[in-house]
Amino acid sequence: GAVVSQHPSRVICKSGTSVKIECRSLDFQATTMFWYRQFPKQSLMLMATSNEGSKATYEQGVEKDKFLINHASLTLSTLTVTSAHPEDSSFYICSARDSYQGAVSPLHFGNGTRLTVT
Amino acid sequence: DQQVKQNSPSLSVQEGRISILNCDYTNSMFDYFLWYKKYPAEGPTFLISISSIKDKNEDGRFTVFLNKSAKHLSLHIVPSQPGDSAVYFCAASDYRGSWGKLQFGAGTQVVVTP
Repeated sequence: GAVVSQHPSRVICKSGTSVKIECRSLDFQATTMFWYRQFPKQSLMLMATSNEGSKATYEQGVEKDKFLINHASLTLSTLTVTSAHPEDSSFYICSARDSYQGAVSPLHFGNGTRLTVT
Repeated sequence: DQQVKQNSPSLSVQEGRISILNCDYTNSMFDYFLWYKKYPAEGPTFLISISSIKDKNEDGRFTVFLNKSAKHLSLHIVPSQPGDSAVYFCAASDYRGSWGKLQFGAGTQVVVTP
């Protein structure tokens, strides 16, 4: 089945630094990838839609200057948390859909990145 | 505003019995529904989906039922196995209007006891 690889799985950084998270589709092409965030014991909240070759679309309330998204190729999207603060500590998960399967097909998720900002 | 709701935060079921997870939604534009299973510190794993033109979809031990008039869907797991212990998320999409974006419920923690 489709595999989405997310790296790193866990990162600890100091307040004020930036962290980059990578999301790769390993055996399919994805023109669109999605970034989610999950707080403890809560649902997955969509942060933004990453579009290959164009700007990301952010959900209401998500700061685009804090969460920089780059979708440079059909298999790679990156999320950079800039000037991280402790309140950014969370579980970040990317997802992608095989572009050739169309909209009515399941999203496949990476294993997530646990970000801890000290 | 939560458009997808899973009102039962947890469910305990005995091994071999049926697990029934429920999900309600408010957006009548949703036309594609999915169930995901999630273990701690991992990403969700796709289980089964159903489009709005159907009222039932079955895959092995998993069956999803959709009642559009009630805006309700359910996931049945029969028979339940200890490995099924996980958090189950219901998700929905209006795939025409928002290609691929999924709205998730809050999840139901399932514990299957021996």
